Amino acid sequence: NAGVTQTPKFQVLKTGQSMTLQCAQDMNHNSMYWYRQDPGMGLRLIYYSASEGTTDKGEVPNGYNVSRLNKREFSLRLESAAPSQTSVYFCASSWEGATNEKLFFGSGTQLSVL
Amino acid sequence: GESVGLHLPTLSVQEGDNSIINCAYSNSASDYFIWYKQESGKGPQFIIDIRSNMDKRQGQRVTVLLNKTVKHLSLQIAATQPGDSAVYFCAENMRGGYSTLTFGKGTMLLVSP
Repeated sequence: NAGVTQTPKFQVLKTGQSMTLQCAQDMNHNSMYWYRQDPGMGLRLIYYSASEGTTDKGEVPNGYNVSRLNKREFSLRLESAAPSQTSVYFCASSWEGATNEKLFFGSGTQLSVL
Repeated sequence: GESVGLHLPTLSVQEGDNSIINCAYSNSASDYFIWYKQESGKGPQFIIDIRSNMDKRQGQRVTVLLNKTVKHLSLQIAATQPGDSAVYFCAENMRGGYSTLTFGKGTMLLVSP
């Protein structure tokens, strides 16, 4: 099993460009999440999907959109990238809502917006 | 604001020593806590978790202690090895917010041979 797979691993964008970060999990988990990680800060939740067909905003959703394509896949889209979105992005999944259980994380996407 | 914080941003130890990483939390309603390890260039990896009805939980070379009176969480690593060098995050499930975890800023553990 691959666990949580994210693509791409690295990306450089110019301000105003758009892109989609892809995430897929093969653990049959119901819940999926997108976090961003900035230097000296903990992981901050952007959006999450408690189950297939539902998505909800997290702590820092502005400038992002998500799509829960099916149970396996959860994508994050930047419609008009800004330098403030330079960060490392992590996708994660769990069986149910992570109020009582651990998250499994992907290896991350390092995004630079120039 | 940040409700989960760490006392020491960097902890340097010698190989073989025991390491203790501390974490303070402010939400007394949180009832589930996790420690993650993050190596350079990788995603966070689960180490150990504990629920609020417990004070202590042990894993392989790791122990998590929970003191609800002072809202303090610690991770103890026995016989620390160079491979333990990483950033360690604590996280809590804050009630009343998102149905997920709130992470602290992390502590860097450096293990010298």
